[in-house]
Amino acid sequence: GQQVMQIPQYQHVQEGEDFTTYCNSSTTLSNIQWYKQRPGGHPVFLIQLVKSGEVKKQKRLTFQFGEAKKNSSLHITATQTTDVGTYFCAGQRNQGGKLIFGQGTELSVKP
Amino acid sequence: GAVVSQHPSWVICKSGTSVKIECRSLDFQATTMFWYRQFPKQSLMLMATSNEGSKATYEQGVEKDKFLINHASLTLSTLTVTSAHPEDSSFYICSAYGLAGLWDEQFFGPGTRLTVL
Repeated sequence: GQQVMQIPQYQHVQEGEDFTTYCNSSTTLSNIQWYKQRPGGHPVFLIQLVKSGEVKKQKRLTFQFGEAKKNSSLHITATQTTDVGTYFCAGQRNQGGKLIFGQGTELSVKP
Repeated sequence: GAVVSQHPSWVICKSGTSVKIECRSLDFQATTMFWYRQFPKQSLMLMATSNEGSKATYEQGVEKDKFLINHASLTLSTLTVTSAHPEDSSFYICSAYGLAGLWDEQFFGPGTRLTVL
């Protein structure tokens, strides 16, 4: 079945360092979404990427969707302690269909 | 953005009892609702997809007789964990899909933490 692989599983960085998490789908996606989950909380929607090669930015966060619509990345510039949490990508094969989540990348930031 | 609520936010029950979890879309009509389960330090695993007025579609490995889903209206879906056991302890999260704003989007509820003693 459809799988979404996400790496790395854990990332420990010093505050101010950059962070990147990568997702790769076994099949072409309609869109990919990114979520952030704080410890003890629920996933919070960050962004959706739909177009091939799309790049979107939210302040220090940069999201990319690959040309083949099978991979995606989230890059955080100059991490802050508020960035701590687990970042999940989730892919859809068709709009409105089920979301297949990656395994998540847990980010810890040392002040 | 659209709001999805879940009730209760947490529940502790004895083994063998049944627990009902509600998922409501508060300001939009949800054509489809999804139920996920998340174990500690793991990702969200889709359990089932429910459409209003029809039977839920369960993912492989999810027992439909144990996890009863009812989607009675466009704003309410319920998940009942029947004869709960300690291994059912988990974080259950619903999401609602519908036109809310400029494009279709899934909105997640805050989750229900179930502990079975």
